[in-house]
Amino acid sequence: GAVVSQHPSRVICKSGTSVKIECRSLDFQATTMFWYRQFPKKSLMLMATSNEGSKATYEQGVEKDKFLINHASLTLSTLTVTSAHPEDSSFYICSATRGSNQPQHFGDGTRLSIL
Amino acid sequence: AQKITQTQPGMFVQEKEAVTLDCTYDTSDPSYGLFWYKQPSSGEMIFLIYQGSYDQQNATEGRYSLNFQKARKSANLVISASQLGDSAMYFCAMREGPMGRDDKIIFGKGTRLHILP
Repeated sequence: GAVVSQHPSRVICKSGTSVKIECRSLDFQATTMFWYRQFPKKSLMLMATSNEGSKATYEQGVEKDKFLINHASLTLSTLTVTSAHPEDSSFYICSATRGSNQPQHFGDGTRLSIL
Repeated sequence: AQKITQTQPGMFVQEKEAVTLDCTYDTSDPSYGLFWYKQPSSGEMIFLIYQGSYDQQNATEGRYSLNFQKARKSANLVISASQLGDSAMYFCAMREGPMGRDDKIIFGKGTRLHILP
């Protein structure tokens, strides 16, 4: 159990495009979902914490107008990279947890390339 | 100061040997949780093992065990009988605070493990 699906797995698009990434918990209800960004050969950097029905909590330095997070249900959170530019190119990965003291289960990640 | 320190950026180990990946952590909170994740080259993050700060015994999951030394604030991952498929990046992570207060976890910089045939 504890499967998290992330879609799409890869996106290549032009500068100025907005890109939406979906994160779904397939077999459990996720009280909290997290969005991370990972640069090549680096660790994961937490961008924001998302709780269903409330506004996401962004980490310091993350532009909330740039990275829009919507957690519409207990099984779905979306990250929209608005007006993406080449510097937004990265590997984005989401995770979901059943609840407190439970491990985070990760999606397979989205490789975003902005031309 | 770093909350999670993984001092081995890379390791090369012969197949079938045991592997120990180091992790030290820093927290003043008496309640915390420690995790290990594996990230193959394909990018997905795979949960391996969890240790709570109040757990009396070291966590074990199959070939994975966590050598938890609370006084030294270390949580090393031990992989027994390594296999070629164990080649990956390994991240140590920590959740600070009591259950329910904050589910955020902080990741170390990772250790890239190479298993040699």
